[in-house]
Amino acid sequence: EPEVTQTPSHQVTQMGQEVILRCVPISNHLYFYWYRQILGQKVEFLVSFYNNEISEKSEIFDDQFSVERPDGSNFTLKIRSTKLEDSAMYFCASSPTSGFYNEQFFGPGTRLTVL
Amino acid sequence: DAKTTQPTSMDCAEGRAANLPCNHSTISGNEYVYWYRQIHSQGPQYIIHGLKNNETNEMASLIITEDRKSSTLILPHATLRDTAVYYCIVRDGNEKLTFGTGTRLTIIP
Repeated sequence: EPEVTQTPSHQVTQMGQEVILRCVPISNHLYFYWYRQILGQKVEFLVSFYNNEISEKSEIFDDQFSVERPDGSNFTLKIRSTKLEDSAMYFCASSPTSGFYNEQFFGPGTRLTVL
Repeated sequence: DAKTTQPTSMDCAEGRAANLPCNHSTISGNEYVYWYRQIHSQGPQYIIHGLKNNETNEMASLIITEDRKSSTLILPHATLRDTAVYYCIVRDGNEKLTFGTGTRLTIIP
């Protein structure tokens, strides 16, 4: 069964460093998402991406964050200058369609630890 | 999206049916009820969704009351692998999923 994959599974970085989290969505999906979950807290929406542009973003997704689909398979989340509070699990998700039948398929997550 | 209310936690004996309630009294006519679960910090997993009719798939059944103000997710024969946090989400077609705190379901051997 096709699945969303994410690399790395765990990333440790120093505060102020740039990190890139990578995701390979399911191959025929058109809509892509990033969510994050700080330890012990809710899963929070960051951004949705369709047709090579951001379709919606949350207040969390400020200028330090960016997303890109550099080729036909990868979907990346970049954090330019990490802060301690960026430590969280980051989940990528994809969906074949949008709207009411939007079943989002999530990857296993990348645990980001900022020291 | 309408707000949902779920119990914080529930226990269920292995092999029995697990019934997880969700209140969504402010749901509007075009909003769907979705259920996801999250097993121990893994990525959330889609379970089922519905508008007003009851729905069933290979994982679960979804019962929505006639007034649509509440729903129940039923796992017919719970196994230890069903231990997870279950999220009831009401949405109107927005891109994003808005997760609450969910119900922590523990299956007891």
